Amino acid sequence: QITLKESGPALVKPTQTLTLTCTFSGFSLSTGGVGVAWIRQPPGKALEWLAHIYWDDDRRYSPSLRNRLTITKDTSKNQVVLAMTNVDPVDTATYYCAVSLYYGNWFDPWGQGTLVTVSS
Amino acid sequence: QSVLTQPPSASGTPGQRVTISCSGSSSNIGSNTENWYQQLPGTAPKLLIYSNNQRPSGVPDRFSGSKSGTSASLAITGLQSEDEADYYCAAWDDSLNGVVFGGGTRLTVL
Repeated sequence: QITLKESGPALVKPTQTLTLTCTFSGFSLSTGGVGVAWIRQPPGKALEWLAHIYWDDDRRYSPSLRNRLTITKDTSKNQVVLAMTNVDPVDTATYYCAVSLYYGNWFDPWGQGTLVTVSS
Repeated sequence: QSVLTQPPSASGTPGQRVTISCSGSSSNIGSNTENWYQQLPGTAPKLLIYSNNQRPSGVPDRFSGSKSGTSASLAITGLQSEDEADYYCAAWDDSLNGVVFGGGTRLTVL
């Protein structure tokens, strides 16, 4: 059974760096075709893909956020970390991590999500 | 403004068939497979359809997906009250080099 869980601060001040951790089980990020993505959802709004890291350490970022995001993996700890610099109140959202398998571009399953509020 | 365009709302009565459309372009739906997610109130999204028309284990065959050119559709037959949720389409975009989502469609079962 595959599970993912997001963790990180619930409240972050503007201009700070937000660091989120996705801890997973049931698969290995060293297996060919496997990737972990971060997706966010502002309150009452649509889903937005942020970043994706693959088994071979290939990384993809949303073009609109590329210069603020860094995604890394620790295969031994079964964790993926997303860092977002210079946060703003518009970054207030529920942040999800999700797995992609079999070289696919679909996400299944997703973590439960973690709500991050950016406010002074 | 989402890259993929969905109607903001849809509705139907129990037992009815409803469809939700998703319009894209040659760089996303036109050249890559389409996926659909269901998000029940207060929960994380769940994969509903992948690779245009494949259902993950456990998803009822009342749900089906199709694609034609740069558009895709999700059809739900035998509508049930528990189908009331937000539905999102998604696809890889070759120009943006990433996944793009639709704006979501809120389905109401009357």
